[in-house]
Amino acid sequence: DAMVIQNPRYQVTQFGKPVTLSCSQTLNHNVMYWYQQKSSQAPKLLFHYYDKDFNNEADTPDNFQSRRPNTSFCFLDIRSPGLGDAAMYLCATSSVGRGKETQYFGPGTRLLVL
Amino acid sequence: GEDVEQSLFLSVREGDSSVINCTYTDSSSTYLYWYKQEPGAGLQLLTYIFSNMDMKQDQRLTVLLNKKDKHLSLRIADTQTGDSAIYFCAERAGTALIFGKGTTLSVSS
Repeated sequence: DAMVIQNPRYQVTQFGKPVTLSCSQTLNHNVMYWYQQKSSQAPKLLFHYYDKDFNNEADTPDNFQSRRPNTSFCFLDIRSPGLGDAAMYLCATSSVGRGKETQYFGPGTRLLVL
Repeated sequence: GEDVEQSLFLSVREGDSSVINCTYTDSSSTYLYWYKQEPGAGLQLLTYIFSNMDMKQDQRLTVLLNKKDKHLSLRIADTQTGDSAIYFCAERAGTALIFGKGTTLSVSS
């Protein structure tokens, strides 16, 4: 089945230790998104890739970076995680410009910072 | 800016209908969405409605859109215990989705 896959589902890291979260998709969608969802809050967009073009939200901290080496994969890098970065990180994809612009989400990676 | 508001909690009995309400601010939104999130899981797309529609029905789900009042609702008929989850309303702003804070639906048997 075509889908959005996130690995790992749970990630524990230490304060200040860089961590990378992974997302892959078999939908061949041209846009990939990263959202941060803190407990009992709405998902908040961090950034997205439209094909190879990176689009950062204005209030996304510099501590958060992203890479998209090819259509299928997108990574979220947190350079120096703080306790406030503990959250669920959701990857989503959509097919913008092709008439199917609905966003489909992966299962999420829950990040714990010790 | 864009803002999406939802009531935080709804409690219903199994077999009753549930109605979850949402208001949004961006009148230029072309699509409005309902997502479901179960504990510890990602967001599952339930349904969406295009802004030139007033109503959309999909099995037990009915979406009503009042563009004048910028009000969106999701009705779940014959609510089951498996429907217990958080339901997010979202509007599309450019390529991003703006979510409400979610409505926690609790279904008792």
